[in-house]
Order: sequence, then C-alpha cells, then structure tokens
Amino acid sequence: QKEVEQDPGPLSVPEGAIVSLNCTYSNSAFQYFMWYRQYSRKGPELLMYTYSSGNKEDGRFTAQVDKSSKYISLFIRDSQPSDSATYLCAMKAGAQKLVFGQGTRLTINP
Amino acid sequence: DAGVIQSPRHEVTEMGQEVTLRCKPISGHDYLFWYRQTMMRGLELLIYFNNNVPIDDSGMPEDRFSAKMPNASFSTLKIQPSEPRDSAVYFCASSHGQTSNQPQHFGDGTRLSIL
Repeated sequence: QKEVEQDPGPLSVPEGAIVSLNCTYSNSAFQYFMWYRQYSRKGPELLMYTYSSGNKEDGRFTAQVDKSSKYISLFIRDSQPSDSATYLCAMKAGAQKLVFGQGTRLTINP
Repeated sequence: DAGVIQSPRHEVTEMGQEVTLRCKPISGHDYLFWYRQTMMRGLELLIYFNNNVPIDDSGMPEDRFSAKMPNASFSTLKIQPSEPRDSAVYFCASSHGQTSNQPQHFGDGTRLSIL
C-alpha cells in the first residue's frame, strides 16, 4: 500500500463549478501537507501549505486537513479554465522527505 | 530571479547509451532534489543533497543511476547504461533549508525517452 493515495482522475467539470480534490494517507507522523499544481510540460509549483489539522483559505482555494481520518482536501471555488492542471498532494513528517500523491488531472471546460 | 534550470528539455537515445541530465539550482538554495515522474508511479524522489553532500539516495533505482553535485550551482544525474524502462520525466528541485515551510522549487524537467 502506498503511503499517499490520490485518485488520478481524470476529472472534468464545467467552468464555475466547485472542485474537490482529495488524498488519503497512512503515516500518522505526517504533519505538513501541501498541494502542488502542475501545468502540462512544466514542473510542479506550490499552491497551498497547511500544518496539522484545520483549514486554510487563499482566494478561491481552500485546503483542509483531517488528521483523525488521515484525509486531506483541496477545494477550488468558481473554477476557471486556467485551473486546468494536474494537482498533487504532498506531505512530510518534520524534516523528512516529501511524499507525493500520484496527482489528479483536472480539466475545467469553458 | 531565475528558477531551477534543467537541461536538456528533451532527450531521445537508444538503449545502452549513457545519459546525463543537468540541473542548476536557485542561487542560495542549499538543498537539491532529483525526482522521476511516470504515469504509473507518479513523482518519486531519487536522491537529495544538502550543501553538495548526498543525504539520502534510497530512491535511486539501481547502480546504473548516479548523481553528483560538484558545487553549489550544478548537479548531474547520470544513467549508464540506459534502458527503455528509464523513460520518464526527470525533475530537479531546490529549496532553502529543509524546514517544513520552505517550498521546493521545481525546474521544468527533462523528458527522457529510451528506445
């Protein structure tokens, strides 16, 4: 079993929809949770960072962490075609290396 | 401010050939990471360096893979001999420190195809 599980999709939604992306994990030592966005033929770029449980909001993006369920989510409100990308969750325990999910490929249709 | 620079962007070569991928991290960053990304396995860490010293190479798949960082501004990942199953996108990333809130900055990758 992988340490981090993420549905690879693909996920296709109409413009303006609310998008929900999720990851589950098995390592209870993970404390730091991130979401990276990767456009086609580009490297991943950090989108959101959360420490421990709780919510964090940044514009149209909200990251949620539920450590009791070992479950993290990224919500995108008022989705735009420019949000079309692959979204990777990533997590780490302390100074340990980042462990990535497989990535969910998202398409927002105009 | 220049980001992480990788070269070449694309590499196509025949099985058995030596392949060398290059990376220039962001100036001032003291951590450098090499990743491999495939559809089947996603993004996997191969090796990382701190202050030019390899810290963890447990992700290097086999002895055919080697990585060096001769100075703070340059690193190479070498595959010799290459095999078709090495075909993937290889990313280099760098960060300033390994603390939790320091993001890793990725290059745009080298797309490697071994025929």
